[in-house]
Amino acid sequence: DVKVTQSSRYLVKRTGEKVFLECVQDMDHENMFWYRQDPGLGLRLIYFSYDVKMKEKGDIPEGYSVSREKKERFSLILESASTNQTSMYLCASSGRTSPYEQYFGPGTRLTVT
Amino acid sequence: AQSVTQLDSQVPVFEEAPVELRCNYSSSVSVYLFWYVQYPNQGLQLLLKYLSGSTLVKGINGFEAEFNKSQTSFHLRKPSVHISDTAEYFCAVSDSGNQFYFGTGTSLTVIP
Repeated sequence: DVKVTQSSRYLVKRTGEKVFLECVQDMDHENMFWYRQDPGLGLRLIYFSYDVKMKEKGDIPEGYSVSREKKERFSLILESASTNQTSMYLCASSGRTSPYEQYFGPGTRLTVT
Repeated sequence: AQSVTQLDSQVPVFEEAPVELRCNYSSSVSVYLFWYVQYPNQGLQLLLKYLSGSTLVKGINGFEAEFNKSQTSFHLRKPSVHISDTAEYFCAVSDSGNQFYFGTGTSLTVIP
């Protein structure tokens, strides 16, 4: 059974903290994605990666960075968390042979106070 | 750039009644279309996808969608809904497999 896991389901951080959100997939997928989900806005792509050490900006990369040192792990980093980054963060992965089949993790609900 | 419009933010429907969730997209190139479902406190799960071929696509849980190129629509339908279908539904479009563009979601509530 395919699996995408995210390190935390709920996270509360203070303004200015550095925040790491981790995502791990066990399907040997090449592509990995980070989205944020906000009510009324749907899902918006922050960053994606199509290979180890490769990354591409999505639609809303400002205030975020990513790291992909190993194929199975894709980290989202908030360098200095702000209250407008309070959101649900979803990680997804897909394989090069079936790029249109994205598998999603359960999400991390981040609250920045 | 692609964009996706889901015309209804909330759809209440009685159990065993039919339902249609509407989705329109804008694109100047060939696209691939998807419907995802999100149950409470869970990630998204792929319901169905259109890549090519027949414009009527069948998915899991009895859902189907029809790709209409002239109307740039990809509406989701189910002839008889169940309580367990209560969830958030997202339409998405991609042209490359690298970037997906999602609609704002439709919250389907099935009333017993």
